Amino acid sequence: GESVGLHLPTLSVQEGDNSIINCAYSNSASDYFIWYKQESGKGPQFIIDIRSNMDKRQGQRVTVLLNKTVKHLSLQIAATQPGDSAVYFCAESRNDYKLSFGAGTTVTVRA
Amino acid sequence: GAGVSQSPRYKVAKRGQDVALRCDPISGHVSLFWYQQALGQGPEFLTYFQNEAQLDKSGLPSDRFFAERPEGSVSTLKIQRTQQEDSAVYLCASSLVGGGNTIYFGEGSWLTVV
Repeated sequence: GESVGLHLPTLSVQEGDNSIINCAYSNSASDYFIWYKQESGKGPQFIIDIRSNMDKRQGQRVTVLLNKTVKHLSLQIAATQPGDSAVYFCAESRNDYKLSFGAGTTVTVRA
Repeated sequence: GAGVSQSPRYKVAKRGQDVALRCDPISGHVSLFWYQQALGQGPEFLTYFQNEAQLDKSGLPSDRFFAERPEGSVSTLKIQRTQQEDSAVYLCASSLVGGGNTIYFGEGSWLTVV
């Protein structure tokens, strides 16, 4: 079936470096994409979203890139900090309410 | 409140017991969602409400799962005759409306069935 998934289950990054987390999706009908951060024992926290009519969107220290040609989504985190250590999920939606999540990427920031 | 509030945060149930999980969405949010998250996995959609109307319950895994939102605010997810495979985190989320508005999640109710 169609699903959203992440390329790598884990990512280790040096504090201060930039992080790139990747996600591949297979449903070409998806038109809304979201990145969530989930810390241990907590619920998913919204980071940034993007609609399919855009290819880039920037927030505070984060940038989401959408490549519809290859059905790829990425999250870039600038100057990664220890507080960025968490599991990151991409999610996609076709109908603006039912989100389909990937399995997640665990980001560990090394001091 | 400031965010989506869920209770209880932790629940241990004996197999066969009924459980009820409560969700208080963000004030004024029309849309409410329930998701199930197994250990090490991403959340899976269970059901969606717009006000008091349950518009989609396609993700509920069996007829032992029931959700309601009678006054369009607080919602309850009920699981009857719990089984071990029901052990998971149950996440509630809300948004202003369903269409493209940010969906905010609560901290979840951690259910362990023994």
